[in-house]
Amino acid sequence: GDSVTQMEGPVTLSEEAFLTINCTYTATGYPSLFWYVQYPGEGLQLLLKATKADDKGSNKGFEATYRKETTSFHLEKGSVQVSDSAVYFCALNARGGSEKLVFGKGTKLTVNP
Amino acid sequence: EAGVAQSPRYKIIEKRQSVAFWCNPISGHATLYWYQQILGQGPKLLIQFQNNGVVDDSQLPKDRFSAERLKGVDSTLKIQPAKLEDSAVYLCASSQRRQGATGELFFGEGSRLTVL
Repeated sequence: GDSVTQMEGPVTLSEEAFLTINCTYTATGYPSLFWYVQYPGEGLQLLLKATKADDKGSNKGFEATYRKETTSFHLEKGSVQVSDSAVYFCALNARGGSEKLVFGKGTKLTVNP
Repeated sequence: EAGVAQSPRYKIIEKRQSVAFWCNPISGHATLYWYQQILGQGPKLLIQFQNNGVVDDSQLPKDRFSAERLKGVDSTLKIQPAKLEDSAVYLCASSQRRQGATGELFFGEGSRLTVL
């Protein structure tokens, strides 16, 4: 079945460091891909998305590129801030299926000043 | 615009007891979802409603879990009897239409259940 694999956390960085959170997926067909973020004490919210191969999603300085050849959707940010501390979830929505989001396990990011 | 409202935020019960969670989606959102998030795992879909009809409940443990959305607005998720492994955060989400096109779901803050 469809699945998402994220890099194990937690990840701890200093402010202004470069961030990469790896995400790979397994799906039949051509899924849409998403990153959701959960800030402390808040609900999950959509961070960015890409709906087809080679699309780049971006928001709040974060980017991820849909790589069909490597079935990946890695999240990157050039300079993290303390306010980016949160749990990040990679997710997919397989086309032609039941249209449900399948989430990875999440990666907790802590950014220290 | 008000977000997705859930209650209670926290609930502690003993095994074999029952519990109910309530969700009020964003106004006008036809699709409502209940997800279960066990500690250390990603959210897993339990049930999806389109208006007051069930679209997908394939992963709902129907021997103990039930959910309804009688008037196509708010929803209740019930667990009876609860087991230890039901300890999790229950997330409610809504979207304007079936998520296939955009994938943008709006989540509530969740209801954390602890079963002792």
